[in-house]
Amino acid sequence: AQSVTQLGSHVSVSEGALVLLRCNYSSSVPPYLFWYVQYPNQGLQLLLKYTSAATLVKGINDFEAEFKKSETSFHLTKPSAHMSDAAEYFCAVSRVNAGGTSYGKLTFGQGTILTVHP
Amino acid sequence: DAGITQSPRHKVTETGTPVTLRCHQTENHRYMYWYRQDPGHGLRLIHYSYGVKDTDKGEVSDGYSVSRSKTEDFLLTLESATSSQTSVYFCAISVGGGADTQYFGPGTRLTVL
Repeated sequence: AQSVTQLGSHVSVSEGALVLLRCNYSSSVPPYLFWYVQYPNQGLQLLLKYTSAATLVKGINDFEAEFKKSETSFHLTKPSAHMSDAAEYFCAVSRVNAGGTSYGKLTFGQGTILTVHP
Repeated sequence: DAGITQSPRHKVTETGTPVTLRCHQTENHRYMYWYRQDPGHGLRLIHYSYGVKDTDKGEVSDGYSVSRSKTEDFLLTLESATSSQTSVYFCAISVGGGADTQYFGPGTRLTVL
C-alpha cells in the first residue's frame, strides 16, 4: 500500500519569502511523485513530477522539489512567494506494479493551503 | 485547456435517487479517472479506465459504478445516492497512465440531501 502525508494543512508566508511545503510518502517500490496546484473553484494543474531521472525537479512558476529516497520525502519549494501562489497544493504518488506496469492511479495527500500575505 | 468537460457542473439530488455524471474528452487519451475531493482527504480515486470497456476499481469504489462505451466518454453512476456521497467529483485523463501527467476537468459539485 502507498500513502502520502503532507505536513501542515495551512502554510502562511509573506510575499517574497521562501515557500516550503512538505510531503512524505510510503511506497514499497520506487514511485512516481507529483505536485499539483488547485486554484479556487478549479481543477488541478501539474506543477512538477519526479519519474526517477534527476532527483531535483524543476516545475512551472519557479517551483522545484527534491526527491530524497533516504527520507522518503518530496518537499516543494519556491524561493520567493507571489500573491498569485495562493492556492491549495497536493502531493501525489503513483505506483509501478511488480510487473512493471502502472495505470497512473494517484494517491493524494490531504492538501496544504498556501496563504501569501502582502 | 486539456479538452475535458464535465456535466453537470452542479447538482442537488435527494437520498436514494440515481445520479450519473459525465466526463467528456476531445483528446482521445486512453486513460480516464474519477476522483472525489473532500476536505481533509485530498482527492481519492473512485474508478479508472484504461480503454474502452476496460475499467477497474479505485480506493473508494463502493456505491459507484462506471461505464466507458467510447473513448471520449467516461460515466460515473451513483446507483442510489447517499449523503456521504456529497462531494466534488473530478474527472482526469492521461495519455499512458504511469508517470504521464493527468489533466483534470473543472469538477462537478454534487449535493445529496
